[in-house]
Amino acid sequence: DAKTTQPTSMDCAEGRAANLPCNHSTISGNEYVYWYRQIHSQGPQYIIHGLKNNETNEMASLIITEDRKSSTLILPHATLRDTAVYYCIVRVLRLNNQGGKLIFGQGTELSVKP
Amino acid sequence: KAGVTQTPRYLIKTRGQQVTLSCSPISGHRSVSWYQQTPGQGLQFLFEYFSETQRNKGNFPGRFSGRQFSNSRSEMNVSTLELGDSALYLCASSPTGVGDTQYFGPGTRLTVL
Repeated sequence: DAKTTQPTSMDCAEGRAANLPCNHSTISGNEYVYWYRQIHSQGPQYIIHGLKNNETNEMASLIITEDRKSSTLILPHATLRDTAVYYCIVRVLRLNNQGGKLIFGQGTELSVKP
Repeated sequence: KAGVTQTPRYLIKTRGQQVTLSCSPISGHRSVSWYQQTPGQGLQFLFEYFSETQRNKGNFPGRFSGRQFSNSRSEMNVSTLELGDSALYLCASSPTGVGDTQYFGPGTRLTVL
């Protein structure tokens, strides 16, 4: 299973862009990079995912390096409500492509400060 | 569309008892996965159900079991509760579980005394 490495914690000033890095050097060609966040032990919230191209949605942007060994989640204008633990996950599929599971690491605790 | 719902939201049990937790997936979603979250171990995959069949299983003892009904609702059961089973139990649903996004419910907070 591909493993991800993220910094334990990061701070960001309110209104500034938050750039959260993730290393996934053993990622396979057909594995996606997913990002979730979890606020105050609520259920994790899906943010964005990608395979090899950069992706953007209403919440964030995902930048994946050309070799796919790392990625960066960008929250363009962080607010206090973005304070959460952010998880970078490589999506694991069973060999026969039936079923799947998410393997969570420890994530990055992002603190957005006024 | 309504999101994933889990009941109950909070539960207190004593050691040795058993507990059943319920998860209703998003309408149209047929895959339901269960996760356990503890401060020490983080978020860990328990099992996944699709079309009433367990399709994937994590590394948990046999005390942890689950099932899925024909309407895709799922239950998980923990028998002979131990103190270490105190955790936030999360369920997630997706349309097929293969290559699609999982959406999580709010979780059930289980405390074992």
